[in-house]
Amino acid sequence: TQLLEQSPQFLSIQEGENLTVYCNSSSVFSSLQWYRQEPGEGPVLLVTVVTGGEVKKLKRLTFQFGDARKDSSLHITAAQPGDTGLYLCAGVLSSGNTGKLIFGQGTTLQVKP
Amino acid sequence: GAVVSQHPSRVICKSGTSVKIECRSLDFQATTMFWYRQFPKKSLMLMATSNEGSKATYEQGVEKDKFLINHASLTLSTLTVTSAHPEDSSFYICSARSGGKTQYFGPGTRLLVL
Repeated sequence: TQLLEQSPQFLSIQEGENLTVYCNSSSVFSSLQWYRQEPGEGPVLLVTVVTGGEVKKLKRLTFQFGDARKDSSLHITAAQPGDTGLYLCAGVLSSGNTGKLIFGQGTTLQVKP
Repeated sequence: GAVVSQHPSRVICKSGTSVKIECRSLDFQATTMFWYRQFPKKSLMLMATSNEGSKATYEQGVEKDKFLINHASLTLSTLTVTSAHPEDSSFYICSARSGGKTQYFGPGTRLLVL
């Protein structure tokens, strides 16, 4: 069973379009991170959200943490070819004490010029 | 931000040999390090959690005798793939955590077993 469901898993869009990636769970997370990964490299942390209802913006990227801390979304406005990559959500369970990151399945985004 | 390095970045070895991958936290002391495995276009799969000075905790289905983990200091953890076989070919990524919840990831090591 996948604790953190990420969707869509593949997304191919034209430059200038908007998109949203979702991560959903029935479990509560104490924090949730979003990463971007390029081929052959490690994941790079984009943002960490910790408060229910929190919204954070990073240029054209908007991250939201659900009120109940069970879900999160990443919205990209006016996508550019440079946004192409694998986007990963990952969270730390509130009920856990190991600090392990639970990863979603990942979203492969391709932005065509 | 915190920097984590991995060495080597890529390695090719013959079937039956052992390969050691190093993970170093360069500018902070990592009380905990994590080792992940990643297949092409897939997410990261946690293999084991390593705390400095103690035995690693392996995830279900990961053979501890196959993937030896040592965390001898607060800045270094090693993963040794013993008697490697072609099915062990993968992208191995480590991460390091100091006291907080944020994990900082290394750049990964591409292993190809012929």
